[in-house]
Amino acid sequence: DTEVTQTPKHLVMGMTNKKSLKCEQHMGHRAMYWYKQKAKKPPELMFVYSYEKLSINESVPSRFSPECPNSSLLNLHLHALQPEDSALYLCASSQQLLVPRAFFGQGTRLTVV
Amino acid sequence: DQQVKQNSPSLSVQEGRISILNCDYTNSMFDYFLWYKKYPAEGPTFLISISSIKDKNEDGRFTVFLNKSAKHLSLHIVPSQPGDSAVYFCAASKGQENYGQNFVFGPGTRLSVLP
Repeated sequence: DTEVTQTPKHLVMGMTNKKSLKCEQHMGHRAMYWYKQKAKKPPELMFVYSYEKLSINESVPSRFSPECPNSSLLNLHLHALQPEDSALYLCASSQQLLVPRAFFGQGTRLTVV
Repeated sequence: DQQVKQNSPSLSVQEGRISILNCDYTNSMFDYFLWYKKYPAEGPTFLISISSIKDKNEDGRFTVFLNKSAKHLSLHIVPSQPGDSAVYFCAASKGQENYGQNFVFGPGTRLSVLP
């Protein structure tokens, strides 16, 4: 199994809503990532979890709240988002340390209205 | 300040010919480089990578060359096929012990392989 599974594939939410994005992998990877990608731009790193602990937060606003309940799951909780937060949110995972190759999920297309 | 640059936003190549995609980086601390391919509405798919201690890595039709002194790498696809048409991202990584990898992506090059 070399898949990273993200749900939902599409999400439309209002600015007052609370929603969550989910990511799952069963490759035994101990590093998991959230990236944000706007149209015609490269993916931008948001958060890195290493061994279920938040290790990198790239100055992301607090309306985005990551959570890593266990080594296979990664969530991104969303609250009070702005229309400019509309983007493709990508989850990725990698083996720790020795093989710096990230496997990406299909992404969640988020639209904030 | 872009640490990873791909100066060609797009490239068109005839089927069967060679495609050469270029990437430049500014941070000499990067120790691993990767190429990803991306179709619309999908996540990036890993293609090939190279460690900073090597200057070439080959996998089937894909070869990546690294010139550390010039801080430049390139991806060669030979022969190019219509199914290779996609956006190609160059990414660089600097390993951080126990903290996961910080993958930095370039802006991408859209490759079109014409039949």
